Amino acid sequence: SQQGEEDPQALSIQEGENATMNCSYKTSINNLQWYRQNSGRGLVHLILIRSNEREKHSGRLRVTLDTSKKSSSLLITASRAADTASYFCATGGMDTGRRALTFGSGTRLQVQP
Amino acid sequence: GAVVSQHPSRVICKSGTSVKIECRSLDFQATTMFWYRQFPKQSLMLMATSNEGSKATYEQGVEKDKFLINHASLTLSTLTVTSAHPEDSSFYICSASDSSGISYNEQFFGPGTRLTVL
Repeated sequence: SQQGEEDPQALSIQEGENATMNCSYKTSINNLQWYRQNSGRGLVHLILIRSNEREKHSGRLRVTLDTSKKSSSLLITASRAADTASYFCATGGMDTGRRALTFGSGTRLQVQP
Repeated sequence: GAVVSQHPSRVICKSGTSVKIECRSLDFQATTMFWYRQFPKQSLMLMATSNEGSKATYEQGVEKDKFLINHASLTLSTLTVTSAHPEDSSFYICSASDSSGISYNEQFFGPGTRLTVL
C-alpha cells in the first residue's frame, strides 16, 4: 500500500522558476528518499535523507524532513526543461526485516522552456 | 554506482501466454530483490520481495501462483507472469539491494519492463 500522498499531483512552471513538491507519510521511518522518473522510464535516485536529519542539499535540490509532521519537501531551484518528469518520495521503514520502499503518489512536473 | 538491468525492456504478448522478465544486478550481489508494478500515471506498488535461495514474500492481493518469482542466484531474479491477461498490462520494475542496505534501505532500480497483453 502507498505510504502517503504527494502534492501537488501536477505542477507546471516556467524554466528558471523554483519547483516545490511535498510528501506526507503515515508511519515512523528510517529514511526518506526522492526519485525522478521520466515518462516510461526507470527510477533515478535523487537524494536520501535520514530520519535524524532535517535538511539536505545536492546541487539544485534541497530536501527537508519534518518527522513531527511526517512530511518532506523537495525544492528544485532554477528549473530546466530537462527537469520535466514525475517525482516520487519513498520511505524506508523502521523494520529492517522489511527493506522494501513505500512510494508516495508522485508529482508530475512540467517545466516550460 | 550499482547497476541493475532488466530484460526485456518491452514485451507484447497474447492473452493466455506466459511472460518471463529478468532482473540482474551487474556489479554487486543482490541478496534481496524487489518487484514493483506501476500502472499509467500511478505510483509504484510493491508486489513481492525475494531473497536469494528462499521463497518470495508477496504483498497482500498479489497472486503468487500468477506472478512466479525465482531468485536462484545473487545476481538474477525472474518474474513470470503466467496466463497473462490484458489487466496485467503494466510497467514492471525491479530493484536490488545488497546486505549493506539493511540499515538504510538502499536499493538500485532497473529500467523497467513494459508489458502489453493483447
